[in-house]
Amino acid sequence: ILNVEQSPQSLHVQEGDSTNFTCSFPSSNFYALHWYRWETAKSPEALFVMTLNGDEKKKGRISATLNTKEGYSYLYIKGSQPEDSATYLCAFNPTGNQFYFGTGTSLTVIP
Amino acid sequence: EAQVTQNPRYLITVTGKKLTVTCSQNMNHEYMSWYRQDPGLGLRQIYYSMNVEVTDKGDVPEGYKVSRKEKRNFPLILESPSPNQTSLYFCASSLGPGETQYFGPGTRLLVL
Repeated sequence: ILNVEQSPQSLHVQEGDSTNFTCSFPSSNFYALHWYRWETAKSPEALFVMTLNGDEKKKGRISATLNTKEGYSYLYIKGSQPEDSATYLCAFNPTGNQFYFGTGTSLTVIP
Repeated sequence: EAQVTQNPRYLITVTGKKLTVTCSQNMNHEYMSWYRQDPGLGLRQIYYSMNVEVTDKGDVPEGYKVSRKEKRNFPLILESPSPNQTSLYFCASSLGPGETQYFGPGTRLLVL
C-alpha cells in the first residue's frame, strides 16, 4: 500500500482569499498525479492530470504544480468563491493502471 | 451524453446473498476501474481493467470479482457479501491508463 498524504485535512477561508493545498506521494515510480474536485452527493470530477516534473496546469482560478523528484504537488485557488467549496482529492498513479488516493482536503469558502 | 452509469444507486442486502453492481460507459473507453470509499479513508481501488478480458487486482480485491466481456461494461460482483463490504462504490473509466478518469454516480451498499 502506497502512502499518499494531503494537507491540510480541512480549510475554512473567506470569499476572495487565495489558498493552497499539498499532496505528498512516494517519489519513486512515477507515472502521473491526478487532482479531483468532489462535491457532496456528487462524484469526483477531474481537474488535472500531471505527468512531467515541473508541470504547471491552470483551469480558471485553479492551478496546480508538480515536483516528482521530491514527491509533492500543490493545488492553488485564487480568489476563492463559495462555489469552490468541495473536497479536493489527489491520486498518485505510479504505473498508469493503479491509483492511490489521498483522503482529501475539505475546503469551505465563507461568503 | 457521455457518461458512466451505475446500477443500483442504493442497495440494502443481507450477508451471503450474491449481488452484482453494474457499470457501463458510452465513451468507448479502454480502461475501467472500481473503487470503494469509506469514512476517514481515501478512495481505494478494488479492480481495474485495461481492455476486454484483461482485468487485474487493485489494492483491496478480497471478496470481489469483476468481468469485462464487453468494452462498455464492467460489473462488480460480490459472491458472498459481508458487513465489512458496506461502503460507497464508484466505477470510473478513461481512454487509457493514466488518462483523465470519469466517475459514475456511486452505489451506496449496506450489508446487514
